[in-house]
Amino acid sequence: DAMVIQNPRYQVTQFGKPVTLSCSQTLNHNVMYWYQQKSSQAPKLLFHYYDKDFNNEADTPDNFQSRRPNTSFCFLDIRSPGLGDAAMYLCATSPGQLTYEQYFGPGTRLTVT
Amino acid sequence: RKEVEQDPGPFNVPEGATVAFNCTYSNSASQSFFWYRQDCRKEPKLLMSVYSSGNEDGRFTAQLNRASQYISLLIRDSKLSDSATYLCVVNPPNGGFKTIFGAGTRLFVKA
Repeated sequence: DAMVIQNPRYQVTQFGKPVTLSCSQTLNHNVMYWYQQKSSQAPKLLFHYYDKDFNNEADTPDNFQSRRPNTSFCFLDIRSPGLGDAAMYLCATSPGQLTYEQYFGPGTRLTVT
Repeated sequence: RKEVEQDPGPFNVPEGATVAFNCTYSNSASQSFFWYRQDCRKEPKLLMSVYSSGNEDGRFTAQLNRASQYISLLIRDSKLSDSATYLCVVNPPNGGFKTIFGAGTRLFVKA
């Protein structure tokens, strides 16, 4: 019973070619997060939504954008991927009511060639 | 100083050992605290929330020390399957639903 689904699981893109990663959830959670995680590093929060309220981290590059068209779906757009953007991208959800527990999807591993 | 700091390890322990990890946080007004477990090339999974009174779940015990601004995770009777990276997570004040992850502590349990 997958609750947070990410597609694709593996994505290869060319340097500078826009790419979109998707996340969907069946938990009906209000909060959705996007993290970037590089090898042996902590997940780094890029942005999060509370419902449609978008919260961007100050150090998230403009190259990264996000959309949340409805409660269930959230997208991460990388407008011009660089080699340094190769990483695991994790989507997570949280109920948004009295708890900050997060539930993660399996991640999308992005390779930039 | 990083907002959330963990000893990266690795901790190498034999099966059956007791092992403890600490995680320090810089903002004394931080609200919520968690431990997550992450297996190699997998997503983090919630292990435990950390409450002021401390909490226990089987072989795992989590504690919060607000005065010294750290949380701890104790694993008793370690199993091979406990080998993973343990991530400390803190919810900072006035950050809405923002959370900050520590870099993680790697644990290897040996037979």
